[in-house]
Amino acid sequence: EVQLVESGGGLVQPGGSLRLSCAASGFTFSDHAMHWVRQATGKGLEWVSGIATAGDPYYPGSVKGRFTISRENAKNSLYLQMNSLRAGDTAVYYCARETGGFFDLWGRGTLVTVSS
Amino acid sequence: QSALTQPASVSGSPGQSITISCTGTSSDVGGYNYVSWYQQHPGKAPKVMIYDVSKRPSGVSNRFSGSKSGSTASLTISGLQAEDEADYYCISYTSSSTYVFGTGTKVTVL
Repeated sequence: EVQLVESGGGLVQPGGSLRLSCAASGFTFSDHAMHWVRQATGKGLEWVSGIATAGDPYYPGSVKGRFTISRENAKNSLYLQMNSLRAGDTAVYYCARETGGFFDLWGRGTLVTVSS
Repeated sequence: QSALTQPASVSGSPGQSITISCTGTSSDVGGYNYVSWYQQHPGKAPKVMIYDVSKRPSGVSNRFSGSKSGSTASLTISGLQAEDEADYYCISYTSSSTYVFGTGTKVTVL
């Protein structure tokens, strides 16, 4: 089955760190750029990071220097290392597959809560 | 990079047509044809409805169509149905090799 499954979410204190994982199956993972998108409760979608097939990472200014995206093609896995977490980072984090400039496959998301 | 501007809400009666706008700049919407639209029902992951401004993925109803003029992209839903009630988001590739989403639009079927 073609799918993406996120894991690693949970409750973390402000200033803490968390590592999210996304397991891909049913397609050739190494052929696709991959992305993380987040959504705070009741809010809109926000692009968090992307990584090209060759491994080049891209970030918006809001997370640059705090978040690191990576991939392990041999394990069909995508990761997001999140450091210096803030309350504003609380959200559901989705993993998404890119095909030619759009996101055609999404996971169900994993909830990250930053709170003391 | 500021979020693309969408109307907060749009409504229409069953059978009517509605259009959602997505306004950016020459550095995103106006500069690239990598504009896509996503439908999101409550508690669900987003689903792509339109990509490359006006292309429709297989399986998406032909009641959904997209276009672009300058730095404003648009999604039109014709023959509005109850199942179309959802949140809709546009997203564009940018000159910084990043992506930026729109602010989102809640579509209500009256």
